[in-house]
Amino acid sequence: NAGVTQTPKFQVLKTGQSMTLQCAQDMNHEYMSWYRQDPGMGLRLIHYSVGAGITDQGEVPNGYNVSRSTTEDFPLRLLSAAPSQTSVYFCASREVPSGGAETQYFGPGTRLLVL
Amino acid sequence: GNSVTQMEGPVTLSEEAFLTINCTYTATGYPSLFWYVQYPGEGLQLLLKATKADDKGSNKGFEATYRKETTSFHLEKGSVQVSDSAVYFCALSAGANNLFFGTGTRLTVIP
Repeated sequence: NAGVTQTPKFQVLKTGQSMTLQCAQDMNHEYMSWYRQDPGMGLRLIHYSVGAGITDQGEVPNGYNVSRSTTEDFPLRLLSAAPSQTSVYFCASREVPSGGAETQYFGPGTRLLVL
Repeated sequence: GNSVTQMEGPVTLSEEAFLTINCTYTATGYPSLFWYVQYPGEGLQLLLKATKADDKGSNKGFEATYRKETTSFHLEKGSVQVSDSAVYFCALSAGANNLFFGTGTRLTVIP
């Protein structure tokens, strides 16, 4: 199993440009999430999905869109990039909860710089 | 609401020193508690977890005990190695929601 994969690893954008961060998992997990990691802030949840066709907002959803057409893929879209979106983005997946102790599996991250 | 507070770093220790990283939490209900580790240039990996009060999670020489009376889940290791240098995140999961993370503590172990 490859686990959770993310592309690209690094991206530079100009303000106003759009892009899609890709995330895929091969563990057949229903739950997938996107986090951003900023210095001194830990990880903050952007959007999450509890299954194909179902998405919901996390703590910091503004400026980001998601969709979940398949179990495997969960892309994150920036429609008009802003410098405040400079961050490291992590995708994660986990099994359906059965008590809240399920392990989340994280991808290696995408480092995004918006100029 | 749900939140996690962990000690600010960075923490610098000599090899074989004792490590404690403090973590306290606020949660509704009965959360599960986790420690994740992030090595340089990588994503987060689960280090250990505990699902109920008085449970002790352990892995790779690290331990943490779920203390409901003090709402704490402090991470400890008796003898750190250079290879333990990383950022450590305390987190909680309450029900079906996603994880709530602390801000992370950077540990550097020097030979």
